Amino acid sequence: AIQMTQSPSSLSASVGDRVTITCRASQGIRNDLGWYQQKPGKAPKLLIYAVSSLQNGVPSRFSGSGSGTDFTLTISSLQPEDFATYYCLQDYNYPQTFGQGTKVEIK
Amino acid sequence: EVQLVESGGGLVQPGGSLRLSCAASGFTFSDHYMDWVRQAPGKGLEWVGRSRNKVHSHTTEYAASVKGRFTISRDDSKNLVDLQMNSLKTEDTAVYYCARGYCSSTSCPDFYGMDVWGQGTTVTVSS
Repeated sequence: AIQMTQSPSSLSASVGDRVTITCRASQGIRNDLGWYQQKPGKAPKLLIYAVSSLQNGVPSRFSGSGSGTDFTLTISSLQPEDFATYYCLQDYNYPQTFGQGTKVEIK
Repeated sequence: EVQLVESGGGLVQPGGSLRLSCAASGFTFSDHYMDWVRQAPGKGLEWVGRSRNKVHSHTTEYAASVKGRFTISRDDSKNLVDLQMNSLKTEDTAVYYCARGYCSSTSCPDFYGMDVWGQGTTVTVSS
Protein backbone atom coordinates (compact mmCIF):
# COMPACT_ATOMS: atom_id res chain seq x y z
CA ALA A 1 0.00 0.00 0.00
CA ILE A 2 1.13 3.53 -0.74
CA GLN A 3 2.17 5.38 2.39
CA MET A 4 1.17 9.02 2.68
CA THR A 5 3.30 11.05 5.08
CA GLN A 6 1.99 14.43 6.13
CA SER A 7 3.96 17.14 7.84
CA PRO A 8 3.76 18.71 10.25
CA SER A 9 1.43 16.61 12.40
CA SER A 10 0.29 19.82 14.08
CA LEU A 11 0.93 23.52 13.88
CA SER A 12 -0.07 26.68 15.70
CA ALA A 13 -0.89 29.73 13.65
CA SER A 14 -2.64 33.06 13.92
CA VAL A 15 -5.52 34.45 11.93
CA GLY A 16 -4.09 35.94 8.74
CA ASP A 17 -1.06 33.65 8.62
CA ARG A 18 -0.07 31.72 5.54
CA VAL A 19 -0.11 28.00 6.30
CA THR A 20 1.48 25.20 4.31
CA ILE A 21 0.93 21.48 4.83
CA THR A 22 2.86 18.88 2.89
CA CYS A 23 2.10 15.33 1.93
CA ARG A 24 4.65 12.88 0.54
CA ALA A 25 3.70 9.63 -1.17
CA SER A 26 5.88 6.54 -0.97
CA GLN A 27 5.64 6.23 -4.75
CA GLY A 28 4.44 8.35 -7.63
CA ILE A 29 0.69 8.92 -7.68
CA ARG A 30 0.33 11.13 -10.78
CA ASN A 31 -2.21 13.78 -9.82
CA ASP A 32 -4.47 11.45 -7.85
CA LEU A 33 -4.44 13.39 -4.62
CA GLY A 34 -7.08 15.25 -2.66
CA TRP A 35 -7.27 17.27 0.53
CA TYR A 36 -9.96 17.06 3.19
CA GLN A 37 -10.80 19.24 6.17
CA GLN A 38 -12.35 17.79 9.31
CA LYS A 39 -13.66 19.68 12.31
CA PRO A 40 -14.22 17.94 15.66
CA GLY A 41 -17.27 15.71 15.68
CA LYS A 42 -17.98 16.37 12.01
CA ALA A 43 -17.57 14.47 8.77
CA PRO A 44 -14.63 15.33 6.51
CA LYS A 45 -15.12 17.85 3.75
CA LEU A 46 -13.50 17.70 0.33
CA LEU A 47 -11.44 20.84 -0.30
CA ILE A 48 -9.25 20.04 -3.29
CA TYR A 49 -9.15 17.19 -5.80
CA ALA A 50 -6.68 16.21 -8.50
CA VAL A 51 -3.90 18.07 -6.65
CA SER A 52 -5.05 21.60 -7.40
CA SER A 53 -8.74 21.73 -8.37
CA LEU A 54 -10.86 23.60 -5.85
CA GLN A 55 -14.12 21.88 -4.91
CA ASN A 56 -17.24 23.97 -5.47
CA GLY A 57 -17.91 26.36 -2.63
CA VAL A 58 -14.42 26.16 -1.11
CA PRO A 59 -12.83 29.59 -0.54
CA SER A 60 -10.05 30.59 -2.89
CA ARG A 61 -7.60 31.05 -0.01
CA PHE A 62 -7.18 27.26 -0.22
CA SER A 63 -4.88 25.99 -2.94
CA GLY A 64 -3.02 22.82 -3.78
CA SER A 65 0.09 22.06 -5.74
CA GLY A 66 2.64 19.36 -6.41
CA SER A 67 3.28 16.38 -8.60
CA GLY A 68 4.63 12.87 -8.48
CA THR A 69 5.28 12.24 -4.80
CA ASP A 70 5.27 15.67 -3.14
CA PHE A 71 2.17 17.75 -2.62
CA THR A 72 1.22 20.88 -0.73
CA LEU A 73 -1.94 22.41 0.68
CA THR A 74 -1.70 26.15 1.25
CA ILE A 75 -4.06 28.42 3.12
CA SER A 76 -3.10 31.92 2.04
CA SER A 77 -4.66 33.80 4.95
CA LEU A 78 -5.89 31.66 7.83
CA GLN A 79 -9.43 32.40 8.98
CA PRO A 80 -11.05 31.45 12.30
CA GLU A 81 -13.18 28.78 10.59
CA ASP A 82 -10.04 27.10 9.17
CA PHE A 83 -8.88 25.70 12.50
CA ALA A 84 -9.35 21.99 11.89
CA THR A 85 -7.50 18.82 10.94
CA TYR A 86 -6.45 18.36 7.34
CA TYR A 87 -5.88 15.06 5.55
CA CYS A 88 -4.45 14.19 2.18
CA LEU A 89 -5.79 11.13 0.33
CA GLN A 90 -4.28 9.27 -2.59
CA ASP A 91 -6.67 7.55 -4.96
CA TYR A 92 -4.02 6.41 -7.42
CA ASN A 93 -4.50 2.78 -6.48
CA TYR A 94 -6.12 0.50 -3.94
CA PRO A 95 -6.20 0.65 -1.05
CA GLN A 96 -6.74 4.38 -1.02
CA THR A 97 -4.68 5.81 1.81
CA PHE A 98 -4.94 8.94 3.91
CA GLY A 99 -2.12 10.87 5.47
CA GLN A 100 -2.08 10.83 9.25
CA GLY A 101 -3.51 14.34 9.46
CA THR A 102 -2.32 17.83 10.34
CA LYS A 103 -4.06 19.64 13.16
CA VAL A 104 -4.13 23.41 12.72
CA GLU A 105 -4.54 25.13 16.07
CA ILE A 106 -4.92 28.71 17.18
CA LYS A 107 -1.71 30.40 18.36
CA GLU B 1 -30.87 18.35 -1.02
CA VAL B 2 -28.03 15.90 -1.53
CA GLN B 3 -27.79 13.79 1.60
CA LEU B 4 -26.36 10.59 3.02
CA VAL B 5 -27.65 9.15 6.29
CA GLU B 6 -25.97 6.20 7.98
CA SER B 7 -27.64 3.87 10.43
CA GLY B 8 -27.07 0.57 12.16
CA GLY B 9 -24.20 1.35 14.50
CA GLY B 10 -24.07 0.02 18.03
CA LEU B 11 -22.31 -2.15 20.55
CA VAL B 12 -21.27 -5.65 19.50
CA GLN B 13 -19.07 -8.30 21.05
CA PRO B 14 -15.81 -9.40 19.44
CA GLY B 15 -16.52 -12.01 16.81
CA GLY B 16 -19.98 -10.64 16.21
CA SER B 17 -21.61 -9.08 13.17
CA LEU B 18 -23.23 -5.79 12.37
CA ARG B 19 -24.79 -4.31 9.25
CA LEU B 20 -24.55 -0.60 8.52
CA SER B 21 -26.78 1.13 6.01
CA CYS B 22 -26.39 4.39 4.16
CA ALA B 23 -29.48 5.99 2.64
CA ALA B 24 -28.89 8.43 -0.19
CA SER B 25 -31.16 11.15 -1.48
CA GLY B 26 -31.05 14.14 -3.78
CA PHE B 27 -28.92 12.67 -6.56
CA THR B 28 -28.83 9.83 -9.09
CA PHE B 29 -27.46 7.16 -6.81
CA SER B 30 -26.76 4.57 -9.50
CA ASP B 31 -24.32 6.94 -11.23
CA HIS B 32 -21.96 7.16 -8.28
CA TYR B 33 -19.26 5.17 -6.58
CA MET B 34 -19.92 4.84 -2.85
CA ASP B 35 -17.20 4.53 -0.26
CA TRP B 36 -16.99 3.67 3.42
CA VAL B 37 -14.41 5.42 5.60
CA ARG B 38 -13.87 4.94 9.32
CA GLN B 39 -12.21 6.81 12.15
CA ALA B 40 -11.17 5.11 15.36
CA PRO B 41 -11.47 7.21 18.54
CA GLY B 42 -8.83 9.94 18.52
CA LYS B 43 -7.28 8.62 15.31
CA GLY B 44 -7.12 9.56 11.66
CA LEU B 45 -9.24 8.53 8.71
CA GLU B 46 -9.05 5.04 7.22
CA TRP B 47 -10.60 4.06 3.89
CA VAL B 48 -12.59 0.85 4.30
CA GLY B 49 -13.98 0.02 0.89
CA ARG B 50 -15.83 0.99 -2.27
CA SER B 51 -18.78 -0.02 -4.38
CA ARG B 52 -18.45 1.15 -7.95
CA ASN B 53 -21.46 2.39 -9.89
CA LYS B 54 -23.81 0.60 -12.27
CA VAL B 55 -21.55 1.30 -15.25
CA HIS B 56 -18.86 -0.71 -13.50
CA SER B 57 -21.23 -3.49 -12.40
CA HIS B 58 -21.10 -2.53 -8.73
CA THR B 59 -17.69 -4.13 -8.30
CA THR B 60 -16.06 -3.67 -4.93
CA GLU B 61 -12.67 -2.96 -3.35
CA TYR B 62 -11.60 -3.33 0.26
CA ALA B 63 -8.83 -2.33 2.61
CA ALA B 64 -6.58 -5.21 3.62
CA SER B 65 -7.64 -4.80 7.25
CA VAL B 66 -11.26 -5.71 6.45
CA LYS B 67 -11.00 -7.88 3.34
CA GLY B 68 -12.75 -11.19 3.83
CA ARG B 69 -14.70 -9.89 6.84
CA PHE B 70 -16.58 -6.90 5.45
CA THR B 71 -18.86 -6.84 2.41
CA ILE B 72 -20.30 -3.82 0.65
CA SER B 73 -23.56 -4.19 -1.25
CA ARG B 74 -25.97 -1.71 -2.75
CA ASP B 75 -29.52 -1.52 -4.00
CA ASP B 76 -29.83 1.20 -6.60
CA SER B 77 -33.64 0.85 -6.62
CA LYS B 78 -33.70 1.89 -2.96
CA ASN B 79 -30.71 4.26 -3.00
CA LEU B 80 -29.02 2.22 -0.29
CA VAL B 81 -25.48 1.01 0.27
CA ASP B 82 -24.73 -1.41 3.08
CA LEU B 83 -21.62 -2.48 4.93
CA GLN B 84 -21.90 -6.00 6.35
CA MET B 85 -19.28 -6.48 9.03
CA ASN B 86 -18.49 -9.99 10.28
CA SER B 87 -15.90 -11.39 12.66
CA LEU B 88 -15.61 -8.00 14.30
CA LYS B 89 -12.51 -7.13 16.27
CA THR B 90 -11.95 -4.52 18.96
CA GLU B 91 -9.85 -2.58 16.47
CA ASP B 92 -12.92 -2.14 14.26
CA THR B 93 -14.31 0.27 16.86
CA ALA B 94 -14.79 3.54 15.01
CA VAL B 95 -17.16 6.05 13.54
CA TYR B 96 -18.13 4.79 10.09
CA TYR B 97 -18.90 7.24 7.33
CA CYS B 98 -20.36 6.59 3.93
CA ALA B 99 -19.29 8.98 1.21
CA ARG B 100 -20.20 9.65 -2.40
CA GLY B 101 -17.56 9.28 -5.03
CA TYR B 102 -17.12 12.19 -7.37
CA CYS B 103 -15.97 11.27 -10.85
CA SER B 104 -15.47 13.18 -14.07
CA SER B 105 -18.29 11.13 -15.64
CA THR B 106 -20.29 7.99 -14.94
CA SER B 107 -17.58 5.84 -16.52
CA CYS B 108 -15.22 7.41 -13.97
CA PRO B 109 -11.99 7.70 -15.95
CA ASP B 110 -10.94 10.21 -13.31
CA PHE B 111 -11.91 9.92 -9.66
CA TYR B 112 -11.99 13.27 -7.98
CA GLY B 113 -12.61 12.32 -4.37
CA MET B 114 -15.45 11.94 -1.92
CA ASP B 115 -17.63 15.01 -2.18
CA VAL B 116 -20.64 14.18 0.01
CA TRP B 117 -20.43 12.52 3.41
CA GLY B 118 -22.90 11.20 5.91
CA GLN B 119 -22.88 12.20 9.55
CA GLY B 120 -21.34 8.90 10.62
CA THR B 121 -22.51 6.01 12.79
CA THR B 122 -20.57 4.66 15.76
CA VAL B 123 -19.56 1.02 16.03
CA THR B 124 -18.16 -0.23 19.33
CA VAL B 125 -16.70 -3.70 19.52
CA SER B 126 -16.26 -4.69 23.12
CA SER B 127 -17.02 -7.51 25.52
